Amino acid sequence: EDQVTQSPEALRLQEGESSSLNCSYTVSGLRGLFWYRQDPGKGPEFLFTLYSAGEEKEKERLKATLTKKESFLHITAPKPEDSATYLCAVRDYGGATNKLIFGTGTLLAVQP
Amino acid sequence: DTGVSQDPRHKITKRGQNVTFRCDPISEHNRLYWYRQTLGQGPEFLTYFQNEAQLEKSRLLSDRFSAERPKGSFSTLEIQRTEQGDSAMYLCASIEGDTGELFFGEGSRLTVL
Repeated sequence: EDQVTQSPEALRLQEGESSSLNCSYTVSGLRGLFWYRQDPGKGPEFLFTLYSAGEEKEKERLKATLTKKESFLHITAPKPEDSATYLCAVRDYGGATNKLIFGTGTLLAVQP
Repeated sequence: DTGVSQDPRHKITKRGQNVTFRCDPISEHNRLYWYRQTLGQGPEFLTYFQNEAQLEKSRLLSDRFSAERPKGSFSTLEIQRTEQGDSAMYLCASIEGDTGELFFGEGSRLTVL
């Protein structure tokens, strides 16, 4: 069964203090690794899709990388507005519905 | 079109009552998903529609839950005889193609007293 594990559960950073979030996955065959951002009381917002090991995507202060077993979301010089829950997901391999299987997320708090 | 719309945003009900949530996806999106999210957890898949056809239902979706998507446009999720364990955020998402990049609505938060 496909599984996604995120760590840490919560992370507190000072503004400008760079760090990384981890997403470990177990899938029958990877058909996409997805990162979403979720603000309190809102639905998740798409950030990145990665398909193959070695692939990298960047957006402002965020960079996502992918290996055969895990993905990292690197946050460089974060600002308070980067505070949110970051969710990782993989696409279900066995079904035809392409549903996403999410991890429990990392709650990031960036203090000024 | 401004995105996926969900209504109501918040619903407080007493145990045993029925509730219905509505989702209006982005107009050109033919695929629609319902997810449920509880505090501190990631979204969990409930059901999937391609156009008007409901193609998959999760084991999480008990007999008290029913979803429809008439004419392949908006969708409804009904919960009958609500229980306290049904308290959660119910998220709707839509997508046009096969990219996996879901567009989520703001969610409907259900509180069962």
